[in-house]
Amino acid sequence: GAVVSQHPSRVICKSGTSVKIECRSLDFQATTMFWYRQFPKKSLMLMATSNEGSKATYEQGVEKDKFLINHASLTLSTLTVTSAHPEDSSFYICSARDRGRITRYGYTFGSGTRLTVV
Amino acid sequence: AQKITQTQPGMFVQEKEAVTLDCTYDTSDPSYGLFWYKQPSSGEMIFLIYQGSYDQQNATEGRYSLNFQKARKSANLVISASQLGDSAMYFCAMREGGLSGSARQLTFGSGTQLTVLP
Repeated sequence: GAVVSQHPSRVICKSGTSVKIECRSLDFQATTMFWYRQFPKKSLMLMATSNEGSKATYEQGVEKDKFLINHASLTLSTLTVTSAHPEDSSFYICSARDRGRITRYGYTFGSGTRLTVV
Repeated sequence: AQKITQTQPGMFVQEKEAVTLDCTYDTSDPSYGLFWYKQPSSGEMIFLIYQGSYDQQNATEGRYSLNFQKARKSANLVISASQLGDSAMYFCAMREGGLSGSARQLTFGSGTQLTVLP
């Protein structure tokens, strides 16, 4: 079945540094990747949608200069949290869309990244 | 207006009993899909069940069934014979538009924390 590998699963970084999160589709081409953010015990909130080879579309209120998304190939999308601050601490999870060609349902999630900024 | 509403922040069920988790949705798109995901404390999103808006029968996947009432715009998840391992957060989600159409994100409800009691 479809697999999206997300790394790292956990990361602790110092305030002011940048952190890169990778999502890689292992056996299919992910033309679209969705990036979500989740606070503890809360829902998943869409941050941005990235399509291979084009600029990401950010949701209202998401700072595009802080959360850099790159989708340079059909199998890799990255989210870089730049100049991270404690309020950026959260759970980040990606979801690749396969248009129903791999799964009947069309979406495959990564395993998530728990970011802690100290 | 909320597109996905889950009115039960927390639910308790006795082991081996059945439990229903509520979900109502709001869309004017005639083509849509409804999903249920399980999220254990590890954070991964585990796909449980899917119902397409044009599906004639209620979806079932093992111990999971979806009580789809289109006119009432509800898509409740029924878990039969609850197990201790079912304790987790459960999210209802919706995709508006067709499966193979332009990329559409999943919109999530606020979730229900299910606790199975021994």
